[in-house]
Amino acid sequence: DGGITQSPKYLFRKEGQNVTLSCEQNLNHDAMYWYRQDPGQGLRLIYYSQIVNDFQKGDIAEGYSVSREKKESFPLTVTSAQKNPTAFYLCASRSRVNTEAFFGQGTRLTVV
Amino acid sequence: SQQGEEDPQALSIQEGENATMNCSYKTSINNLQWYRQNSGRGLVHLILIRSNEREKHSGRLRVTLDTSKKSSSLLITASRAADTASYFCATGPNTGNQFYFGTGTSLTVIP
Repeated sequence: DGGITQSPKYLFRKEGQNVTLSCEQNLNHDAMYWYRQDPGQGLRLIYYSQIVNDFQKGDIAEGYSVSREKKESFPLTVTSAQKNPTAFYLCASRSRVNTEAFFGQGTRLTVV
Repeated sequence: SQQGEEDPQALSIQEGENATMNCSYKTSINNLQWYRQNSGRGLVHLILIRSNEREKHSGRLRVTLDTSKKSSSLLITASRAADTASYFCATGPNTGNQFYFGTGTSLTVIP
């Protein structure tokens, strides 16, 4: 089945730790995105990538890092520099500009 | 931020009634899209309207777009309890591949 997969579904992080959220798609999409969603809020763009080995910062990139070494993979690392990382993280992909985006089911990150 | 805004933030209606949500955005666009999110899940695409279109229908969904006012509306007719979800509009600028979402409308349909 074609789709976009995020893992894990739930993730717990101790303060001061880096954690990496996985996002994999087998849709052959060029563009991939990471969004953060806080309770009752909209989606805020963290990073996006249009092609392999290229990515750009969104509105709230501080404390996050990404890589795009393969077309199908766009992992997000939440670093210890992110002071308030507890949130719901959503990954999306789309084939090109002006088309619909496909979303994963999200990863809920909690700092303990 | 280029994030748009939906209005109202929350809407509660009886089953069978119509639900209308509005979206305002900031940049020039090529198209505007509406998405649905069930609680704790990813977003699902509902409908896309291009900048040269004024109205579009899909089943019980009707979307309008007014580029002069930078606004769009989503109408869900004959609502069902299963329509309970959050609804987001999404836009991208004419150049680049950014993709921005509004703040969302939380719809509750009471059986």
